[in-house]
Amino acid sequence: AQRVTQPEKLLSVFKGAPVELKCNYSYSGSPELFWYVQYSRQRLQLLLRHISRESIKGFTADLNKGETSFHLKKPFAQEEDSAMYYCALSGFGGNKLVFGAGTILRVKS
Amino acid sequence: GAVVSQHPSWVICKSGTSVKIECRSLDFQATTMFWYRQFPKQSLMLMATSNEGSKATYEQGVEKDKFLINHASLTLSTLTVTSAHPEDSSFYICSALRQHSVFFGSGTQLSVL
Repeated sequence: AQRVTQPEKLLSVFKGAPVELKCNYSYSGSPELFWYVQYSRQRLQLLLRHISRESIKGFTADLNKGETSFHLKKPFAQEEDSAMYYCALSGFGGNKLVFGAGTILRVKS
Repeated sequence: GAVVSQHPSWVICKSGTSVKIECRSLDFQATTMFWYRQFPKQSLMLMATSNEGSKATYEQGVEKDKFLINHASLTLSTLTVTSAHPEDSSFYICSALRQHSVFFGSGTQLSVL
């Protein structure tokens, strides 16, 4: 069964502190992993995808197949990073997304 | 960029009535759109995949006669909640596929009284 687990509902950090949003998945095959972000009163938008291997807004995420994880990291949090973050997966080459429950990131000044 | 417009943003209706939600791709053609449902403080749950010119593909447990999907053109998919009941109250979100990327609408909050 396809499943995405985000164990933390809320993560609160101070500005400048490192951030790690956890995501674990279960999928029989080769999935594509994504992080989506939803800022206050805005629609869901793609932050990054594992196949791109790029850093967006200072965030990176590495797919660890051994640990079936795709944690989102940023070395120095900024207040504007405060948002809801969703980890999602799809079958490789597919587009049906399975979402985790989401983690609220709150960056305090 | 790719813009997906969803209308209405919120709707209140009486129990037993039907409600139609529209999802439009404004600056691209989308042969595939997706409909999600989100309960408060829960994740997005895929309801169905909408395919232009053919029948929608529903996820397990989603009643196709309850949630009618029509994708008659390359820029419009509609979700009709038929004979709505209070338990259908939820946040409905659509997305459209463009070149292997998915773009989301802003969602529709449905409240059934």
